[in-house]
Amino acid sequence: ETGVTQSPTHLIKTRGQQVTLRCSSQSGHNTVSWYQQALGQGPQFIFQYYREEENGRGNFPPRFSGLQFPNYSSELNVNALELDDSALYLCASRVGTSGSNEQFFGPGTRLTVL
Amino acid sequence: AQSVTQLGSHVSVSEGALVLLRCNYSSSVPPYLFWYVQYPNQGLQLLLKYTSAATLVKGINGFEAEFKKSETSFHLTKPSAHMSDAAEYFCAVSEGDTNAGKSTFGDGTTLTVKP
Repeated sequence: ETGVTQSPTHLIKTRGQQVTLRCSSQSGHNTVSWYQQALGQGPQFIFQYYREEENGRGNFPPRFSGLQFPNYSSELNVNALELDDSALYLCASRVGTSGSNEQFFGPGTRLTVL
Repeated sequence: AQSVTQLGSHVSVSEGALVLLRCNYSSSVPPYLFWYVQYPNQGLQLLLKYTSAATLVKGINGFEAEFKKSETSFHLTKPSAHMSDAAEYFCAVSEGDTNAGKSTFGDGTTLTVKP
C-alpha cells in the first residue's frame, strides 16, 4: 500500500509568482486536507476536499485554492506569493470526513519565497 | 471554536527518564484528541488518538495519554525515554464531525533526550 506522496520536495519562488503543489492520497482515501506549517509552529488547516469538492476552509485568503481529481489526488495553488507564504505544506488523506478518522500525512513540500 | 495549548516548547529528559508532554484543549463539543510525532524533514505520524472510548489511550512506541475532561487536558507520557524519541510532538483537537472534521494543532514541543 502506497502512502501519501507530495511533489516537489522543495521549491523556491519569488514574491508575486504562482505555485502549484501536488499530493497523491493513500489508496482508498477520498478526503484530502492541506496544512501550512510555518517554522516553529504547528500545522494550520488551509482547506479540505472530499469527493472533488471543497468542504471546509481555514483562515486563508482566496489566493490559496485547490483541486481534487477523480482519483482523489489533489493540488494546492497559491497565487501572488508573499514572503510569509514560506513554509512546509503538508497534505493529509483519510477516509471520509469524520474527525475521528486517522489522517495520514505526506512528507511535505518546503516552499521558500524570496 | 477549538484550540490547543502545548505547555513548554522545549522539554529535555535523560535517557530512561519519564517523558511528560503537556496539552490543554478548548472545544465547544466533545473533542477528538490526537498526538503526532514529526521527525526532521518528515511529515506527521500519529502516535495515538482519543475518540470518546477509554480515557487512557495507548499508542505506538510505548506512549500513552489520558483524557481528563475536568482539566481539559490530554498529556502525553512515556515511562522511559529512548534516544530515538527525540523529535517534535504535536497535540491536535478536532470537533468530531463538525467543521469538516478539521484538526487544530498546537505549536509543538521539541523533545530532547540526553544520553
